[in-house]
Amino acid sequence: DGGITQSPKYLFRKEGQNVTLSCEQNLNHDAMYWYRQDPGQGLRLIYYSQIVNDFQKGDIAEGYSVSREKKESFPLTVTSAQKNPTAFYLCASSIGGQTGRLHFGNGTRLTVT
Amino acid sequence: GESVGLHLPTLSVQEGDNSIINCAYSNSASDYFIWYKQESGKGPQFIIDIRSNMDKRQGQRVTVLLNKTVKHLSLQIAATQPGDSAVYFCAAWAPQKLVFGQGTRLTINP
Repeated sequence: DGGITQSPKYLFRKEGQNVTLSCEQNLNHDAMYWYRQDPGQGLRLIYYSQIVNDFQKGDIAEGYSVSREKKESFPLTVTSAQKNPTAFYLCASSIGGQTGRLHFGNGTRLTVT
Repeated sequence: GESVGLHLPTLSVQEGDNSIINCAYSNSASDYFIWYKQESGKGPQFIIDIRSNMDKRQGQRVTVLLNKTVKHLSLQIAATQPGDSAVYFCAAWAPQKLVFGQGTRLTINP
């Protein structure tokens, strides 16, 4: 079955450490996205990529970095510069363009202490 | 830019009743809207979508209504079941990105 795989489901890190969240899709989608979700909140866009080797900042990109070296992969690094990194992180993909349905993974819950 | 808001953070309904979840958006240029359902600990799942050239679209037990005049859309769930318990998000396309509202938590009373 086609889909989006995020790993791991739970991740624990000490403050000051960088951590990379994995996102892989086998839907052959061009566009990929990272969202952050805090308790009781909606989804806020961190970064997105419309094609390989290109990505743009979303609304809350500070303290995060991404790469898009392969079509199927869009890893997110949460750096030590991110002031409040504890959150639920969701990766999504879509066929591309400026409209279209996003398909989501099941998220990674990151806890930083 | 675009902002999307939901009118109620929580909604409680009796099993078997119809549920109506409301959403407002700000950008009159938005032309594609999506409703998602999110169960605890999971990613959002697509429910139904609607483009701005329509004012109503029906799926299985769900209907989305779009009122472009007042920039409002609603999700109606018929004969609500326990499995409908979740957080529901509306989302609207702004240029290059999908903007989400804050979600309504739907609780079903037996």
